[in-house]
Amino acid sequence: GAVVSQHPSWVICKSGTSVKIECRSLDFQATTMFWYRQFPKQSLMLMATSNEGSKATYEQGVEKDKFLINHASLTLSTLTVTSAHPEDSSFYICSASWTGLSKEQYFGPGTRLTVT
Amino acid sequence: RKEVEQDPGPFNVPEGATVAFNCTYSNSASQSFFWYRQDCRKEPKLLMSVYSSGNEDGRFTAQLNRASQYISLLIRDSKLSDSATYLCVVNGRNAGNMLTFGGGTRLMVKP
Repeated sequence: GAVVSQHPSWVICKSGTSVKIECRSLDFQATTMFWYRQFPKQSLMLMATSNEGSKATYEQGVEKDKFLINHASLTLSTLTVTSAHPEDSSFYICSASWTGLSKEQYFGPGTRLTVT
Repeated sequence: RKEVEQDPGPFNVPEGATVAFNCTYSNSASQSFFWYRQDCRKEPKLLMSVYSSGNEDGRFTAQLNRASQYISLLIRDSKLSDSATYLCVVNGRNAGNMLTFGGGTRLMVKP
């Protein structure tokens, strides 16, 4: 099946710093990548949808200037959490899909961010 | 009202039991339906797609009722390894590849 990787898998940073998370599709070209956030005991919440070569579409309530998304190629998207605060601590998961009949998304293993 | 609703559980069942989860969705134009499984601190993994005619994959059976806008998942002969959170997921018409996740139903299978 399709494989998606994320890096790093775990990061601790100090309040006020920025953190970049990479999401890569390893064996397919992802026309669309999605970024989710999941707080403990809650479901995944979509943050933004990113199509290669165009600006990301953010969900309501997600600050685009705080969560910078770049999707420069069909195999790589990055999420940068700028000026991170403790309330940004969460599990960030990306997924990737390609245009086609199937609506399946393939998920990366997630990145656990802790802001101290 | 949430777009996709599930009973959060937990469902505590003994090994070998049969357990069923239901899920309701609000968008009648939804086109694609899935069950994902998520283990603690891991990413969701596709368990199975749900087709209008119903479909089965080993011990797992999924059903879709478009008229009532609900989806079900039946697990027969539960194994300890089935313990996880099961996510009901829906893709709406004209939503591209965007998925909407339910809150998940937690299953705990005990010896």
